[in-house]
This record gives sequence, structure tokens and C-alpha cells, in this order.
Amino acid sequence: AQKVTQAQTEISVVEKEDVTLDCVYETRDTTYYLFWYKQPPSGELVFLIRRNSFDEQNEISGRYSWNFQKSTSSFNFTITASQVVDSAVYFCALSEDWRGGGADGLTFGKGTHLIIQP
Amino acid sequence: EPEVTQTPSHQVTQMGQEVILRCVPISNHLYFYWYRQILGQKVEFLVSFYNNEISEKSEIFDDQFSVERPDGSNFTLKIRSTKLEDSAMYFCASSERPPGTGGDYGYTFGSGTRLTVV
Repeated sequence: AQKVTQAQTEISVVEKEDVTLDCVYETRDTTYYLFWYKQPPSGELVFLIRRNSFDEQNEISGRYSWNFQKSTSSFNFTITASQVVDSAVYFCALSEDWRGGGADGLTFGKGTHLIIQP
Repeated sequence: EPEVTQTPSHQVTQMGQEVILRCVPISNHLYFYWYRQILGQKVEFLVSFYNNEISEKSEIFDDQFSVERPDGSNFTLKIRSTKLEDSAMYFCASSERPPGTGGDYGYTFGSGTRLTVV
């Protein structure tokens, strides 16, 4: 069975600090997909990134970067120079390889509540 | 940018009543999903739907739940006899292809319906 662990339930930092959110996953599949979503106080789920298991290149998008390491089954998310608007709950999620006829849902971690203080 | 639309944004119902939550997926998407998030907890997969039938469902999706695509645009989740523990945010999502397939595709969540059972 697949599982996603976000051990940090809450992180509080001062604006402009860098912060890393950890995500560790378990899956028996060799092909799988990892996601990060942001949930601001308004409640919607905002897609941030999707990465497949064959692509271990780190990705950078503005102040956001992701470090995928298969050897440690981790897909960590770093925000550089954090801003108050980054305050939200961040979820890591996993999807296993699609098998013909199936459309499995995403397995989410419990989320990390990130608080950026001015 | 195309959106998944959910109505209503908030619904209050009495225990034992039936509720129908409505979703309009993105028009060219073929796979539809419902997720649930109990307040302060992680997002949990309920069901996926493709080609007018349920593709996968979780153990949460018991006999009191049903889904339907009554016409070409709506996708509904019905809870037959609501319980207090059904109080949660319900998210609809849609995608062009299942999450576990290669290539770029959309996997978009709606803004959610907050269901309160009293």
C-alpha cells in the first residue's frame, strides 16, 4: 500500500527565511508520480508540481524548488525568501502507476502548516 | 484558465437527510474524482469515475455514497442519509488522463463544498 508521511505538522518562520518542507513516501511501484499542493486559508487546493519517478532532476520555479531523491524516498519542497503570502497548509501526494482500466486517486500526506511571520 | 466548479460552497443539512454535491469538471477532461477532507485532517480519496462508471473507490465510499454524471457536464456526489461524521470539505477534481500516466495533463481540484451535518 502507498503512504505519504509529512512529519512536520507545523513550521513557523520569519519572513525572508528559507524553509524546507519534508515529504517521505512509500510505494511498491517502480513508476509513480509525486505532487505538491498548497491549501491557503480560503480552502482550495492549488497545484504546485507533479514529478514522475524517472525524473530525479531538481526543479526550480521562482522561489520554489523541489528535491526528489529516490534513494531516500523523499520529495522535499523548499521556499526561498519566504513571504507572508506563503502561509498555508502544504500537502505532498502520491499516485501509483496507472493500470489499464483504473484511475486511482492521489494519496495525500497529513500536510504541513506553514506560518510565515512578518 | 479552465476551472472545476463546485456548488454550493457551503451546505448545512440535518442528520439523516440526503445531500447532493455538484461539480462541473473541465470540459475536455475524462476522469472525475471526489475527495474528502475532515477539518484539520488530510485529504482522502473517495472515488474515481470514468466512462460513466466507477473506476476505483476507497473504503470510505460505502453504500451511503453514490456518484453520477447525469448529463454531459455535471458530476454529482450523493450522500443518502447523512451522519455527523460526514461533516467535511468535499473536493471534486478532474483530469484529462489518470494521474499515473505519462506526459503532461491537467489534474485540477475545485474549490470545495463545505458540508456541515447538524
